[in-house]
Amino acid sequence: LAKTTQPISMDSYEGQEVNITCSHNNIATNDYITWYQQFPSQGPRFIIQGYKTKVTNEVASLFIPADRKSSTLSLPRVSLSDTAVYYCLVGPNNNDMRFGAGTRLTVKP
Amino acid sequence: ETGVTQTPRHLVMGMTNKKSLKCEQHLGHNAMYWYKQSAKKPLELMFVYNFKEQTENNSVPSRFSPECPNSSHLFLHLHTLQPEDSALYLCASSVMNDIWDHTGELFFGEGSRLTVL
Repeated sequence: LAKTTQPISMDSYEGQEVNITCSHNNIATNDYITWYQQFPSQGPRFIIQGYKTKVTNEVASLFIPADRKSSTLSLPRVSLSDTAVYYCLVGPNNNDMRFGAGTRLTVKP
Repeated sequence: ETGVTQTPRHLVMGMTNKKSLKCEQHLGHNAMYWYKQSAKKPLELMFVYNFKEQTENNSVPSRFSPECPNSSHLFLHLHTLQPEDSALYLCASSVMNDIWDHTGELFFGEGSRLTVL
């Protein structure tokens, strides 16, 4: 199973763009990269998934370099409600994806 | 509202009790999962059911017993638990065409907060 490394915590201010980088040096050819968001006492919520290059949806963008050994989740113009824990997962399917400690993002006014 | 409903939301039980957690999804998904989240620990995958068949059991103690009677319902039967089993138990579901399907976004319920006295 590909191991992921993320910063434990990050601080930002409202209106700023936030980039959270995840390292996955031993990612396999058939692995996808998936990000989830979790608020306290709730289940995680899917944000975005990608395999290579760039993926964008209405919530975030995911940048994946050519070697795929890392990925960056980009949240544009964060608000206080974006304060949460963000998880990066790598795997070919849900059976083999493991949640790590995640990155605790705190957005300040 | 994610389409995945867990009951009860809160449960307090003694170590000798037998209780069950219930999960129900109305999303037409064919894979369901139990996760455990202890305080300040990552989510741990406990059980996976694909097409009602258990395909994953991550060395979970036998005092936790899953049951999947159909693709919409998942239970976690609890008996003779220990205080360290106190945690948030999360159910999730996804679409899975086959074991190698990568497109299965996980939809989580809000969890059942379990306290073992």
